[in-house]
Amino acid sequence: DAKTTQPPSMDCAEGRAANLPCNHSTISGNEYVYWYRQIHSQGPQYIIHGLKNNETNEMASLIITEDRKSSTLILPHATLRDTAVYYCIVQDNFNKFYFGSGTKLNVKP
Amino acid sequence: GAVVSQHPSRVICKSGTSVKIECRSLDFQATTMFWYRQFPKQSLMLMATSNEGSKATYEQGVEKDKFLINHASLTLSTLTVTSAHPEDSSFYICSASGGAIYGNTEAFFGQGTRLTVV
Repeated sequence: DAKTTQPPSMDCAEGRAANLPCNHSTISGNEYVYWYRQIHSQGPQYIIHGLKNNETNEMASLIITEDRKSSTLILPHATLRDTAVYYCIVQDNFNKFYFGSGTKLNVKP
Repeated sequence: GAVVSQHPSRVICKSGTSVKIECRSLDFQATTMFWYRQFPKQSLMLMATSNEGSKATYEQGVEKDKFLINHASLTLSTLTVTSAHPEDSSFYICSASGGAIYGNTEAFFGQGTRLTVV
């Protein structure tokens, strides 16, 4: 079962930073937080993942709180093509990904 | 990132027939593959996990005799929907995990297969 809760939708202006929150208060010490996104009728696309330290790659930054009970995905300069459903997932000990309902990010011009 | 390919991308079949969906990892060896189903406006639901050379493990409520999974090699897993009915119409997505380059936990997803049973 999904261990995460996310707001159902968010709006963001094009060119601005999009900050997507995720709560995972029951996360265990060795479980990773992953972020994927899904554009309509496509397979999910990997964005970033982390354990306890903040992470950054060419797509996004991931900020994980010190107690690891929540995290925020940051898209620094959102574009219209970033409109998608964003999923925050806690990978279980069997390497499985259980998807929650995700956040629909609407990037507006 | 790694490439996972699904085939076919779309399929329409008659009620009562069986349909096979292939999932291939093109540039890495997938020790584990996962199969998901997604109904319109819903999230992905994990159906089963398959490890190369062993039987798949199914999530609660998923009929193993209806959704046959084979993972005969490190680059190929297949899902066969047997005796398909209109309620099996859905978007089926596979993901693959494994390979030293990418670590043993990251998963990459195929583009999905849209199954319509008429």
